[in-house]
Amino acid sequence: KAGVTQTPRYLIKTRGQQVTLSCSPISGHRSVSWYQQTPGQGLQFLFEYFSETQRNKGNFPGRFSGRQFSNSRSEMNVSTLELGDSALYLCASSLGDRTSGADTQYFGPGTRLTVL
Amino acid sequence: GQSLEQPSEVTAVEGAIVQINCTYQTSGFYGLSWYQQHDGGAPTFLSYNALDGLEETGRFSSFLSRSDSYGYLLLQELQMKDSASYFCAVRVTGAGSYQLTFGKGTKLSVIP
Repeated sequence: KAGVTQTPRYLIKTRGQQVTLSCSPISGHRSVSWYQQTPGQGLQFLFEYFSETQRNKGNFPGRFSGRQFSNSRSEMNVSTLELGDSALYLCASSLGDRTSGADTQYFGPGTRLTVL
Repeated sequence: GQSLEQPSEVTAVEGAIVQINCTYQTSGFYGLSWYQQHDGGAPTFLSYNALDGLEETGRFSSFLSRSDSYGYLLLQELQMKDSASYFCAVRVTGAGSYQLTFGKGTKLSVIP
């Protein structure tokens, strides 16, 4: 089974621009979660999508948004980029089963975003 | 809110045993997970504990004490390839939330 894929792998943008990142989950997985990883803050939860609906949201400003398509692929958008948005953006897919806490997340390789 | 504490760095010798601790303060606790991340790589799932006690998977074991809000990851027979960052994560629920919250990670360096 193919793993989680993310595109692009690397991206360089300037302040004020916007960016769209893409994530293709493992086949059969309906949940896609996005995380921001920085050296100082570790892995921080952005949001989760399940069956095309945002099911969960972290504590990030409205500049960060996302969506999910009917094939479970997800995109994340960041508008009006700031220097502090430079980070590794990871997506993770899972079955999305909320009946237990053992809904294992499988991570993609990430998109390294640099904002100049 | 939720918080997880784990040591930022640990160094251990090849062939030895190392324990990485994680303490947490959360509400609506469901379980404790551990992930491994090599430099430049993606986090990969290692283990999950929902109940008190020890779970063993090969050289890796994970322990949970819900009453103490504490868990640890135990790595035995350390190999150089175990050099990586290890994250504990808790699944928290409540108020419509159901998300994984990660600790800031422990960088393990295995030396010859």
